[in-house]
Amino acid sequence: QVQLVQSGAEVKKPGASVKVSCKASGYTFSNYAMRWVRQAPGQSLEWMGWINTGSGHTKYSQQFQGRVTITRDTSANTAYMELSSLRSEDTAVYYCAREGYGVDYWGQGTLVTVSS
Amino acid sequence: QTVVTQEPSLTVSPGGTVTLTCTSSTGAVTSGYYPNWFQQKPGQAPRALIYSTSNKHSWTPARFSGSLLGGKAVLTLSGVQPEDEAEYYCLLYYDGVVVFGGGTKLTVL
Repeated sequence: QVQLVQSGAEVKKPGASVKVSCKASGYTFSNYAMRWVRQAPGQSLEWMGWINTGSGHTKYSQQFQGRVTITRDTSANTAYMELSSLRSEDTAVYYCAREGYGVDYWGQGTLVTVSS
Repeated sequence: QTVVTQEPSLTVSPGGTVTLTCTSSTGAVTSGYYPNWFQQKPGQAPRALIYSTSNKHSWTPARFSGSLLGGKAVLTLSGVQPEDEAEYYCLLYYDGVVVFGGGTKLTVL
């Protein structure tokens, strides 16, 4: 069965960077794109960007352009999302989600807390 | 900046029918926006319900259906169950970019 397992919660100081991983299993990793979505406390879902896991091509939301980098390691069936220059407003749960039949499978989420 | 709008909240009685809508600031929602619908319960990741307007996933209960009506994407729940109380989000595709709606909090009362 398809599973996306994300790395654990992180606490970061303002100005730091965070890198969240998303390990996929149960399907051919490089055949499906991966999207990254975040959700601030009590807020809606917000798309950050996506990666073509086959080619490595990426596209980012304008809101995060310049601060977010999405990569993948096909040998490890893992996608990564790195967000830099963190500020308190970046405190949120970060999700990876597979682009299959629509956005079909989601990771369990990774809480990133930005606090001094 | 493209905005996708949903009703902030709706209330429905158990066994009833409710319709949630999803509109785009760019104009009428068509099948080319490939509307997706998700359900999210507190403390959980979103769960996909509908893709490409009306297609259900294998795990989607039969009481959920998606369609287009009057330039909007629509999610209909027929025969609502208490466990359907949740937040519902739509998602629209805009040429490689996706935008989520603000969510509809559905109360079953």
